[in-house]
Amino acid sequence: DGGITQSPKYLFRKEGQNVTLSCEQNLNHDAMYWYRQDPGQGLRLIYYSQIVNDFQKGDIAEGYSVSREKKESFPLTVTSAQKNPTAFYLCASRDSRPLSGANVLTFGAGSRLTVL
Amino acid sequence: AQKITQTQPGMFVQEKEAVTLDCTYDTSDPSYGLFWYKQPSSGEMIFLIYQGSYDQQNATEGRYSLNFQKARKSANLVISASQLGDSAMYFCAMREWDTDKLIFGTGTRLQVFP
Repeated sequence: DGGITQSPKYLFRKEGQNVTLSCEQNLNHDAMYWYRQDPGQGLRLIYYSQIVNDFQKGDIAEGYSVSREKKESFPLTVTSAQKNPTAFYLCASRDSRPLSGANVLTFGAGSRLTVL
Repeated sequence: AQKITQTQPGMFVQEKEAVTLDCTYDTSDPSYGLFWYKQPSSGEMIFLIYQGSYDQQNATEGRYSLNFQKARKSANLVISASQLGDSAMYFCAMREWDTDKLIFGTGTRLQVFP
């Protein structure tokens, strides 16, 4: 079945360590997104990519980095510069073809990062 | 700037009744899309319904309908015949065609009681 796989589901990190969250999709979607969700809050856009080897900052990009070397993969690195990284991280993808079902985002199951 | 506002942090509704979840938006782009997603306690995001800025009719998907009032910049979600399984967080979102950014509101927690 096609979908988005995020790993790990749970991750613990010590302060000062970088950590990379994986996001892989087999939907052949062009666009991919990373969101952060804090308890009781909405989703805030970190980075997004519309095409391979290109990405744009979202509203809260500071302390994060991404790469888009392959169409199916969009890993997110939470760096030590991110002051409050404990959160739930959601990856999503979207088909960019015109008239393709309103370009609905498909989400992964999320990764919960806790900084100790 | 692009913005989504959901003013109801929580809502209660009795089973089998209808409920309206409010959403207002702000954008300078004439081309945009509005979405509603459901997030159960498991954390997954489930797409419910979509409305394009140029769509003439309000969108409907089963028990979900979107009350789109373009002049007021509102896109309220109406859930008819509520079920216990509808208890979840509900998020309104907007995508501007020009920038391709998709942003979300802060959500409304809906609780359905018997």
